[in-house]
Amino acid sequence: QVQLQESGPGLVKPSETLSLTCFVSGGPIISTDYYWGWIRQPPGKGLEWIGSVYYSGSTYYNPSLKSRVTISVDTSKNQFSLKVSFVTAADTAVYYCARISGEWQRPQYNWFDRWGQGTLVTASS
Amino acid sequence: QSVLTQPPSVSGAPGQRVTISCTGSSSNIGTGYDVHWYQQLPGTAPKLLLYNNYNRPSGVPDRFSGSKSGTAASLAISGLQAEDEATYYCQSYDTSLSGSVFGGGTKLTVL
Repeated sequence: QVQLQESGPGLVKPSETLSLTCFVSGGPIISTDYYWGWIRQPPGKGLEWIGSVYYSGSTYYNPSLKSRVTISVDTSKNQFSLKVSFVTAADTAVYYCARISGEWQRPQYNWFDRWGQGTLVTASS
Repeated sequence: QSVLTQPPSVSGAPGQRVTISCTGSSSNIGTGYDVHWYQQLPGTAPKLLLYNNYNRPSGVPDRFSGSKSGTAASLAISGLQAEDEATYYCQSYDTSLSGSVFGGGTKLTVL
């Protein structure tokens, strides 16, 4: 059973960079049937897709966040990472990593079938 | 506002049937993109409930069902149980936004 686990600092200062890592266990990160993504949820609010990454390193980003987000993958460590630069209080949220089921070339038809437990990141001085 | 519109809350008594709607537009559900549903129990991560409009992953009871028509989709829960009390989210893809989009979530209260 594939499991995902987020890790990283829980507190980030405004204008600095948020960095999180998601370790995948129970299965390989290299797959043509799945790829990987990040979703966030501000306290008391709904879900927002941040971006996705394929094992090759190809990425899709939410256009509203694209200028500040970088998602990368490290296949040797079976993990992928998220960086959000120039954070503000609006970036305070629980950040989830997830596995996405479906073909990389057809993101229109895919869904999030495994989720990490989530990690709260607070942007505050 | 979310691209996909859900009612903020619904409620029902144990044993009853409730439905949760997810209304989109011609740039997402109306284009023919599938809708997927997630259940988020209090204090936990979302869990996949239905994929491709009505398919249940292994382990999801058949009390949960889904449908899609035009620019909207719906989730039905029959035989309501106390453990179904959670927030439910729909998800699809939007061509205008070039990415996955979620509904705002619907909090289900079991009376």
